[in-house]
Amino acid sequence: AQKITQTQPGMFVQEKEAVTLDCTYDTSDQSYGLFWYKQPSSGEMIFLIYQGSYDEQNATEGRYSLNFQKARKSANLVISASQLGDSAMYFCAMSPSSGGSYIPTFGRGTSLIVHP
Amino acid sequence: GAVVSQHPSWVICKSGTSVKIECRSLDFQATTMFWYRQFPKQSLMLMATSNEGSKATYEQGVEKDKFLINHASLTLSTLTVTSAHPEDSSFYICSASPFRISEAFFGQGTRLTVV
Repeated sequence: AQKITQTQPGMFVQEKEAVTLDCTYDTSDQSYGLFWYKQPSSGEMIFLIYQGSYDEQNATEGRYSLNFQKARKSANLVISASQLGDSAMYFCAMSPSSGGSYIPTFGRGTSLIVHP
Repeated sequence: GAVVSQHPSWVICKSGTSVKIECRSLDFQATTMFWYRQFPKQSLMLMATSNEGSKATYEQGVEKDKFLINHASLTLSTLTVTSAHPEDSSFYICSASPFRISEAFFGQGTRLTVV
């Protein structure tokens, strides 16, 4: 069984500052993928970044980076230079990757508010 | 990235009627699509896995007869909420993945209100 834990129900950050959203996971799978999604108030789920369990380097996508610490089973999302448009819910998810299937488990989410 | 289109984005229906929600992968073939339900300020709950050409796999506690899923082609899956009741009001969202696990994309979601 898989479990994703996001311990921060809400976070505040000032515009242009960096913010870290926490995510820890538990799984018995050896091969898995970790994902972060952004959900603005409109409801759509926007894929942000992916990290494979065997990837040696932390994933980066523009202002998003994933601080992957496998031994600690953590996959924190770092948003650099926050913008007002970053205000949204952020969900961490994971999926086993054996067999090429994608069966995600989501965390409860973190609400991020960026203020001027 | 790949595009998943979901329609309608919102719907209001009377109690007792049925509502069909479509999920299309626009630029890739998806043998598997997923349907989620999300209550306000909560996480996504996986309802079922939709498999092209075969029956859907439902998660525990999800009523198969109420939430009918059809995956008729490699680019289209539909979720039909049958005999809808006010407690079925929720946000429903689908996702699909091209073959590589590192890519997974969601539709825009459908906000269903049953009155």
